[in-house]
Amino acid sequence: AQSVTQLDSHVSVSEGTPVLLRCNYSSSYSPSLFWYVQHPNKGLQLLLKYTSAATLVKGINGFEAEFKKSETSFHLTKPSAHMSDAAEYFCVVSDPTGSARQLTFGSGTQLTVLP
Amino acid sequence: DSGVTQTPKHLITATGQRVTLRCSPRSGDLSVYWYQQSLDQGLQFLIQYYNGEERAKGNILERFSAQQFPDLHSELNLSSLELGDSALYFCASSPPLGTASTDTQYFGPGTRLTVL
Repeated sequence: AQSVTQLDSHVSVSEGTPVLLRCNYSSSYSPSLFWYVQHPNKGLQLLLKYTSAATLVKGINGFEAEFKKSETSFHLTKPSAHMSDAAEYFCVVSDPTGSARQLTFGSGTQLTVLP
Repeated sequence: DSGVTQTPKHLITATGQRVTLRCSPRSGDLSVYWYQQSLDQGLQFLIQYYNGEERAKGNILERFSAQQFPDLHSELNLSSLELGDSALYFCASSPPLGTASTDTQYFGPGTRLTVL
């Protein structure tokens, strides 16, 4: 079984300051890990994906995430927040075995960016 | 724009009614997934189809059913609707098995269902 824990339900930062959204995962296998973003009244957009090629993954809009197996973490960071980053962020794990690539979602972190 | 389309965007109906949600996957994708997003339950996987066949089931109620047609579009049927079925329903698609990105799902914009 696999699971994802997003450690903060809400994060608030000032524009121009760093963003850190924390995620821990549990998986019996070497998982695929993703971060998705959901802007208000919009669908889910893929930010980035980890699949064991490199532990530091760069995504869109300046986001990146580092896979740390020893800590079972996959935290999302951005050096400088922008107002347009305000959204809900989901950490997601995929079971790489079998033919059904089911995703397990974390509970989400709401990011607020203050002017 | 992910390339996954969903219709309708909004749906308002009454308890006890039946509705159909439609999804067209990205060109070339064979898998279609359905998810429900509600305030109390978060994002939950409902069901997956691959090239017309049911592949996996999640927390899908017996009142709900889905199918994938030969042209690969999919429909999610919700019947005997209850107030608690009000939610955002997302469809996602992914590339075929054997491709490098087969585990990456691309989401549509969702259908917002309101049951009154």
